Amino acid sequence: EAQVTQNPRYLITVTGKKLTVTCSQNMNHEYMSWYRQDPGLGLRQIYYSMNVEVTDKGDVPEGYKVSRKEKRNFPLILESPSPNQTSLYFCASSQQGSLGKLFFGSGTQLSVL
Amino acid sequence: SQKIEQNSEALNIQEGKTATLTCNYTNYSPAYLQWYRQDPGRGPVFLLLIRENEKEKRKERLKVTFDTTLKQSLFHITASQPADSATYLCALDPSISSGSARQLTFGSGTQLTVLP
Repeated sequence: EAQVTQNPRYLITVTGKKLTVTCSQNMNHEYMSWYRQDPGLGLRQIYYSMNVEVTDKGDVPEGYKVSRKEKRNFPLILESPSPNQTSLYFCASSQQGSLGKLFFGSGTQLSVL
Repeated sequence: SQKIEQNSEALNIQEGKTATLTCNYTNYSPAYLQWYRQDPGRGPVFLLLIRENEKEKRKERLKVTFDTTLKQSLFHITASQPADSATYLCALDPSISSGSARQLTFGSGTQLTVLP
């Protein structure tokens, strides 16, 4: 089944404790992206990647890192999480040339205490 | 500055009626616009894409229009059902041209409730 898989689904952590949210897609998509979703603010793009070893900042990249060493994986790293990073996070992927029709993961609800 | 606005945060309609959702944008010249459905706690699901040279697109009970002069897209659900209750998001990519996604930007969504 074609899908984007994020883990974990829920995560509670404390300020400053490094964490990684994993994202994997099995559709051989070139493009991958991370979004955060907050009430009243909608979906905001954090980082995106056009292909392996190519990443770029979205609208809200501060406090986040990403890497794209393999085509299928695009982890999101919070080196020193803070409470304002409490949010619902979504990973998405798209095939190049598909006009950006995104496939989304199920989301990761992160709480930073 | 660039902005995408969806007409209302919430829309309630009676089952069987047509729901119409609005997406307005400013300071963009998108080559296409997309609509997604999002259920609570789940990721958005792609519904429809309409290009700038298409006035209207249909898929089953869904219809999308795109008016680049008004800078507006309308999303219609005909013969609405309670199962259509969800949040609907419009999205566009300002960077365009290659046909590939770069920075797909979303509106904040309209929460539709279809009452039985």
